[in-house]
Amino acid sequence: KAGVTQTPRYLIKTRGQQVTLSCSPISGHRSVSWYQQTPGQGLQFLFEYFSETQRNKGNFPGRFSGRQFSNSRSEMNVSTLELGDSALYLCASSLETSNEQFFGPGTRLTVL
Amino acid sequence: DAKTTQPPSMDCAEGRAANLPCNHSTISGNEYVYWYRQIHSQGPQYIIHGLKNNETNEMASLIITEDRKSSTLILPHATLRDTAVYYCIVRVISGYSTLTFGKGTMLLVSP
Repeated sequence: KAGVTQTPRYLIKTRGQQVTLSCSPISGHRSVSWYQQTPGQGLQFLFEYFSETQRNKGNFPGRFSGRQFSNSRSEMNVSTLELGDSALYLCASSLETSNEQFFGPGTRLTVL
Repeated sequence: DAKTTQPPSMDCAEGRAANLPCNHSTISGNEYVYWYRQIHSQGPQYIIHGLKNNETNEMASLIITEDRKSSTLILPHATLRDTAVYYCIVRVISGYSTLTFGKGTMLLVSP
């Protein structure tokens, strides 16, 4: 069974631009969560989607948004990029109320 | 979710057991103890979880104290590929999948 895939793996943007990251969960997984990882703040939860509905959200500004499609694939969008948005963005999928989350390799975003 | 405390770093010789401690003194009765690890430049990987009984799988063993205020993850025969940051997380199994990561323990396995 294929794992969680994220595209692109690397991205360079400039301040003020917007970016869209994509995540394809493991087949059959309907829950998708997004995390941001930076050296200073560590791994922080962004939001979780289940059956196309956001059911939990972390403490991030409204510039960070996401959505989930009917095939469970998810995208997250960051608008008006800031230097501090440079980070590794990780996506994880799981079965409903599963004990285990499966993480993708992440998208490394650099904002110049 | 309850907060956890882990040592920032630990060393282990290859082939020896690695014992990683975690303190979760404010854990609630319905919170589970989870362990994940993150090898450099990869996404975190689930290792094991437990409620109050000791657990073992092909990767590791989890020992939870009787009062559930602390636990130890044991890698019985550490290899160089076990070098990673290990995260201890306590959470309720609910409709949400949210994981709250702390700073974890950087385990360095040396030859």
